[in-house]
Amino acid sequence: AQKVTQAQTEISVVEKEDVTLDCVYETRDTTYYLFWYKQPPSGELVFLIRRNSFDEQNEISGRYSWNFQKSTSSFNFTITASQVVDSAVYFCALSETYSGAGSYQLTFGKGTKLSVIP
Amino acid sequence: GAVVSQHPSRVICKSGTSVKIECRSLDFQATTMFWYRQFPKKSLMLMATSNEGSKATYEQGVEKDKFLINHASLTLSTLTVTSAHPEDSSFYICSARDRRLNTEAFFGQGTRLTVV
Repeated sequence: AQKVTQAQTEISVVEKEDVTLDCVYETRDTTYYLFWYKQPPSGELVFLIRRNSFDEQNEISGRYSWNFQKSTSSFNFTITASQVVDSAVYFCALSETYSGAGSYQLTFGKGTKLSVIP
Repeated sequence: GAVVSQHPSRVICKSGTSVKIECRSLDFQATTMFWYRQFPKKSLMLMATSNEGSKATYEQGVEKDKFLINHASLTLSTLTVTSAHPEDSSFYICSARDRRLNTEAFFGQGTRLTVV
């Protein structure tokens, strides 16, 4: 069975501070995919990143960066120079199986609510 | 990027009535769509997997007679909450996968259902 743990329920930071959101996962598969989604107060889920289990390169996209550590089963997300618009709930998710038929399921962590204070 | 449209975004209904929520993939064909339910301050819980042209696969504990799912075309899946009760009030969100892409899934805007 797969499991995603986001131990931080809520985080508050002052604008311009850096913040790291933790994500630890469990899976028995050797092939899997990890995701981060942002859910602003309006409710829609915004896709941020997808990473497959064979690609351990860290990724940077503007102020966002992701640190994938297979040895510790972690896929942490860092926002540098945080802004008020970053305030949202962030979900880490795991897809354990991709079948040729094209269906898969996402298991979500419980989410981390980030509040950026001006 | 690919867009998934969910409608309505908000709905209030009376107990005992049924409510239909639509999930459309606007610029791609989605053989598989997923329906999630999110309680306040909670994570998304997968309710069912909707496959075009076949019966939906429901997760354990989800009543298939209460939450009817129809995926009649490659661009539309519907979730009907039948005989709604106040405890069905929740945020429902769908996602759809473009079968041309590898594991990518896009989410609809969500539907906030309030049963009074």
